[in-house]
Amino acid sequence: QQPVQSPQAVILREGEDAVINCSSSKALYSVHWYRQKHGEAPVFLMILLKGGEQKGHDKISASFNEKKQQSSLYLTASQLSYSGTYFCGTEYPDSSYKLIFGSGTRLLVRP
Amino acid sequence: DVKVTQSSRYLVKRTGEKVFLECVQDMDHENMFWYRQDPGLGLRLIYFSYDVKMKEKGDIPEGYSVSREKKERFSLILESASTNQTSMYLCASSKRDEQYFGPGTRLTVT
Repeated sequence: QQPVQSPQAVILREGEDAVINCSSSKALYSVHWYRQKHGEAPVFLMILLKGGEQKGHDKISASFNEKKQQSSLYLTASQLSYSGTYFCGTEYPDSSYKLIFGSGTRLLVRP
Repeated sequence: DVKVTQSSRYLVKRTGEKVFLECVQDMDHENMFWYRQDPGLGLRLIYFSYDVKMKEKGDIPEGYSVSREKKERFSLILESASTNQTSMYLCASSKRDEQYFGPGTRLTVT
């Protein structure tokens, strides 16, 4: 079942922060985050494994709440280059490297 | 530099035609994937292969088949194209966690 991403879209001014959430109705093994810029292929950002760890990539970090089966992506002091669509991909214990992606969150950062 | 290439960026086919989409990776990855991407629906997995000649259905396999005769190549086949298969098709490969995506093929079926 497809994970639910929220919000569907967000518009920021450069330097503002944003949070994107990804929720699953089933127990997760891991959550993967990807960013796709307009007209380009999705690019891997990070993976969160079961255990509640938090990871960072430049000023983008993420957390995984195992109890809530939810992951959140934090974009701090956003830059113009952060614009794009963010997808979470959920991996389940029995899924053999397969990911089920959410419908995406469109992020636009304006000057 | 890792690379996933797809045979065409744009393709226009007629209803009922047999369509082949090719994907090649140069990273010696075991896993390869075919997704379709439609507005508001995100990336949906069509088929997945974890080894040569091995395949698994994804979430939306109906109307599609796949072939993996060599490790580096994964083909998606539309046996009889229909208008509801008009979409962006993305191929990806992975060793374990990170999936590397190709540039996509925008297929239009008229």
